[in-house]
Amino acid sequence: GAVVSQHPSWVICKSGTSVKIECRSLDFQATTMFWYRQFPKQSLMLMATSNEGSKATYEQGVEKDKFLINHASLTLSTLTVTSAHPEDSSFYICSARDPLQGNNEQFFGPGTRLTVL
Amino acid sequence: AQRVTQPEKLLSVFKGAPVELKCNYSYSGSPELFWYVQYSRQRLQLLLRHISRESIKGFTADLNKGETSFHLKKPFAQEEDSAMYYCALSSTSGSRLTFGEGTQLTVNP
Repeated sequence: GAVVSQHPSWVICKSGTSVKIECRSLDFQATTMFWYRQFPKQSLMLMATSNEGSKATYEQGVEKDKFLINHASLTLSTLTVTSAHPEDSSFYICSARDPLQGNNEQFFGPGTRLTVL
Repeated sequence: AQRVTQPEKLLSVFKGAPVELKCNYSYSGSPELFWYVQYSRQRLQLLLRHISRESIKGFTADLNKGETSFHLKKPFAQEEDSAMYYCALSSTSGSRLTFGEGTQLTVNP
């Protein structure tokens, strides 16, 4: 089956620093990847849709200058949390679609736990 | 706007009992509905989708357009079914998923 990985699995950083999270599709090429945020005991909230070779589409209320997304290749999308603050602490999850499967199923990464001190 | 509602945050049943996890949606077009499951310390994974009309691990879900529901059912729950279940909706033409709040199912021995 399609496998999506994320790196790192957890990260702790100081307030004001930037953190980059990688999302990779390991055995398929993903023209579209998605970034979600999940707070404790809450559902996944879509942050943005990452399109290979073009700008990401951000959901309403998500600051594009705060959460920089780059989808430079068909197997890699990155999310950079710039000037992180404690309120950015959350679980960040990416997913990807396999366009060859011809459906809207998304394959999810294991998530990245970000803690901002 | 797309919206998915799972009215029960927590659901607890005994092993062998029937279980139903409720999901209601609102969407003006023709939706594609999914159930995703997240077992403890594992990633989110697809359980089933309405277009395939299949039964996975004994679970079934029928799309009821009149009631705008996509409830997940299993006649005899097992302990290994304990997990977080998310109902999700996508438009047939688009790819973004809208998730419900999730239901934590606990199957007691």
